[in-house]
Amino acid sequence: EDKVVQSPLSLVVHEGDTVTLNCSYEVTNFRSLLWYKQEKKAPTFLFMLTSSGIEKKSGRLSSILDKKELSSILNITATQTGDSAIYLCAVEVFNAGNMLTFGGGTRLMVKP
Amino acid sequence: DSGVTQTPKHLITATGQRVTLRCSPRSGDLSVYWYQQSLDQGLQFLIQYYNGEERAKGNILERFSAQQFPDLHSELNLSSLELGDSALYFCASSGGAFGNEQFFGPGTRLTVL
Repeated sequence: EDKVVQSPLSLVVHEGDTVTLNCSYEVTNFRSLLWYKQEKKAPTFLFMLTSSGIEKKSGRLSSILDKKELSSILNITATQTGDSAIYLCAVEVFNAGNMLTFGGGTRLMVKP
Repeated sequence: DSGVTQTPKHLITATGQRVTLRCSPRSGDLSVYWYQQSLDQGLQFLIQYYNGEERAKGNILERFSAQQFPDLHSELNLSSLELGDSALYFCASSGGAFGNEQFFGPGTRLTVL
């Protein structure tokens, strides 16, 4: 059974801090790993990492895929209160479709 | 705004009833996915449709069914509802059948009393 585990479960930091969120996976036929941010409702897409694109960056957020260690990290630098959210990691495998297996998420709270 | 729309936003119903959730994908997207998010189970994949055909199936209960129509909108039907079916139901869409990022709709919150 495919498995995605995120750590830590929750994190409280102050504005300006840098945080690193972790995601590890045990799946067969890995295709891609995706990061989402979930605030009040719908998850919003952040990054997609594949064998051909193992590092992505957008503003203060960046992510790296380590295919050897079967893991990924999401870094947020100079955190702001608006970064407070649940961050979800999901893995897609090669099969008939495009289903995503999600981890349990990391709840990040950024205090002013 | 992801471009994926879902109706209704909230639904309150009783055990044993049947409800239909509706989803319209982003313009041009051919794949639609349904996910269930509950406090104890997290975000769980239910089913995927690609251009009208079922493409992948997750742990979807037999009481649940879905379809995608020629205009690409999708409906998720939940019947013989139980208290444990109370959850947020998300629809997502993507351009292709696989290998594409999925964009999520705002969700439908279902409460079964």
